[in-house]
Amino acid sequence: ETGVTQTPRHLVMGMTNKKSLKCEQHLGHNAMYWYKQSAKKPLELMFVYNFKEQTENNSVPSRFSPECPNSSHLFLHLHTLQPEDSALYLCASSPGTALRGYTFGSGTRLTVV
Amino acid sequence: ILNVEQSPQSLHVQEGDSTNFTCSFPSSNFYALHWYRWETAKSPEALFVMTLNGDEKKKGRISATLNTKEGYSYLYIKGSQPEDSATYLCAFPNPTGGGNKLTFGTGTQLKVEL
Repeated sequence: ETGVTQTPRHLVMGMTNKKSLKCEQHLGHNAMYWYKQSAKKPLELMFVYNFKEQTENNSVPSRFSPECPNSSHLFLHLHTLQPEDSALYLCASSPGTALRGYTFGSGTRLTVV
Repeated sequence: ILNVEQSPQSLHVQEGDSTNFTCSFPSSNFYALHWYRWETAKSPEALFVMTLNGDEKKKGRISATLNTKEGYSYLYIKGSQPEDSATYLCAFPNPTGGGNKLTFGTGTQLKVEL
């Protein structure tokens, strides 16, 4: 148990499906993040929420739609994805200062067929 | 675009060997430098957050040094054990605009063999 719970662990979806990834933390952190890791590439920042307000959208296609209803929960809604969106999606939280590290979830391994 | 580079990309060592790897980052607008350890099928885990030039941090057999003027950090593992096998990531933070955006390097994949 890392303190950040991410579900599901694995997801296979068709290109016409709609699905959601869920992330939850009860560490009292004010910032939450979605990262993507594709094969042979570094972790790539997608979205940042700070005190449940979106502060960063790293040019992510609109088929990825984040939602942060409160500081403890973060969702990533997926619709009409492409096979190249298959990747590991990691959620993380932090106190929001550069002087403190992230706590990561276990990730969702997404396969788009 | 921030450039955070790590070398080597992968490393195989024997149990008991000591090893080190490098993280290079921009020397301007420095806030901190993070190191993470990522074991297969687990979550990345924070090892160190380094802030001061010349700083050295230690956690068991793992230590790290920081040179902010020339933009590099070294991670050292003394007497490697099989359980040290993991990918070691460094990350450069940007806290402007709210939250703490990390730019990660591609990592050094360490395999410790018996």
